[in-house]
Amino acid sequence: SQQGEEDPQALSIQEGENATMNCSYKTSINNLQWYRQNSGRGLVHLILIRSNEREKHSGRLRVTLDTSKKSSSLLITASRAADTASYFCATQAALEYGNKLVFGAGTILRVKS
Amino acid sequence: DAGITQSPRHKVTETGTPVTLRCHQTENHRYMYWYRQDPGHGLRLIHYSYGVKDTDKGEVSDGYSVSRSKTEDFLLTLESATSSQTSVYFCAIGERGGKAETQYFGPGTRLLVL
Repeated sequence: SQQGEEDPQALSIQEGENATMNCSYKTSINNLQWYRQNSGRGLVHLILIRSNEREKHSGRLRVTLDTSKKSSSLLITASRAADTASYFCATQAALEYGNKLVFGAGTILRVKS
Repeated sequence: DAGITQSPRHKVTETGTPVTLRCHQTENHRYMYWYRQDPGHGLRLIHYSYGVKDTDKGEVSDGYSVSRSKTEDFLLTLESATSSQTSVYFCAIGERGGKAETQYFGPGTRLLVL
């Protein structure tokens, strides 16, 4: 069963606006990661936040993690047309051998220019 | 892109035929993974490897087998392909770093089983 569930399934915004995507998960985690997938391509790692962290920034990306609610959010500020892609959260469970990741179904982001 | 290649990139096959997909890495990473991606499901782990000849099952392993005889190669075999195995297959690699690990993905293989 999937660990991460993402919301919304699809998001359409204008260039320059902010985009927020949410992820919920079910079990204890070591870390939560966000990946981006451009159409027809493999996934690219964006950012990782550990279970003892609450917020992390990387360029225009801001990720928050609330372990009490088992949820995370990804904020992309000042979006660009090039940000159009699918975004996936992935969790790495605590005490999980093999560093396995469990992915959510993803959010499709479209940024209109 | 990390040094990961997948072959073939596209394949059309018939139900009941065997199919082998290859993942090759030049990063000398210990961990390798095979996922399938289907609409509405995100990526689901099929099998993974934590070293040469060391493999284990993932979430959706039925109908698939894997082998890893060298660090750089991880093969995924569909012994007798079925239409339900039509999907996009991604290989990923990873290396243990402290308590965290990110994965690096190959470009994917589109498989159509008729």
